[in-house]
Amino acid sequence: SYDLTQPPSVSVSPGQTASITCSGDKLGDKYACWYQQKPGQSPVLVIYQDNKRPSGIPERFSGSRSGNTATLTISGTQAMDEADYYCQAWDSTTVVFGGGTKLTVL
Amino acid sequence: EVQLVQSGAEVKKPGESLKISCKGSGYSFTTYWIAWVRQMPGKGLDSMGIIYPGDSDTRYSPSFQGQVTFSADKSISTAYLQWSSLKASDTAMYYCVRRGAGSGYYFDYWGQGTLVTVSS
Repeated sequence: SYDLTQPPSVSVSPGQTASITCSGDKLGDKYACWYQQKPGQSPVLVIYQDNKRPSGIPERFSGSRSGNTATLTISGTQAMDEADYYCQAWDSTTVVFGGGTKLTVL
Repeated sequence: EVQLVQSGAEVKKPGESLKISCKGSGYSFTTYWIAWVRQMPGKGLDSMGIIYPGDSDTRYSPSFQGQVTFSADKSISTAYLQWSSLKASDTAMYYCVRRGAGSGYYFDYWGQGTLVTVSS
């Protein structure tokens, strides 16, 4: 099966830059997207097509992809960005989510 | 404003059947795919599959094939997820999501979720 691997947790100080990676064998030729999920809430799309931001998503959120790794970057991280983040891709037949990364802002 | 509004929480016993719903509004319901995503307690997201309400074309993820059934009633802009015989392991939050129209595969709008609890 197709797997997407994320670090279980990432910590960042307020105002600093947080980077969350997502790696997968077939990611090199597929778009990746990212979701933010805060406790008790539905996930929210923050990045799609590797690096596009939906309307309403702050500019501090950005995405990139190089080879088999996609990266979500949050610049000037704020306390409100503390959440679980999931990457997601598609291997032509199956939608796959990464295992999720808990971002702690401390 | 695009909205996906799901039916309320359910508590069921093992072996019972269940059908939950997801009503779309604020967009053309028949021209966007609707997917279902499971989130078990304290766990990550699992894609269950997808349905195109325009013609009810349905694709199930391998893990969910034969375990659930998707349907849609385009006359009332509502998609459904149903089980014929629930198990305790079906206890989870279930989200309906709209697949975005652009290239690639992403979910741009999410319902509020329906919590299904299966317990004897």
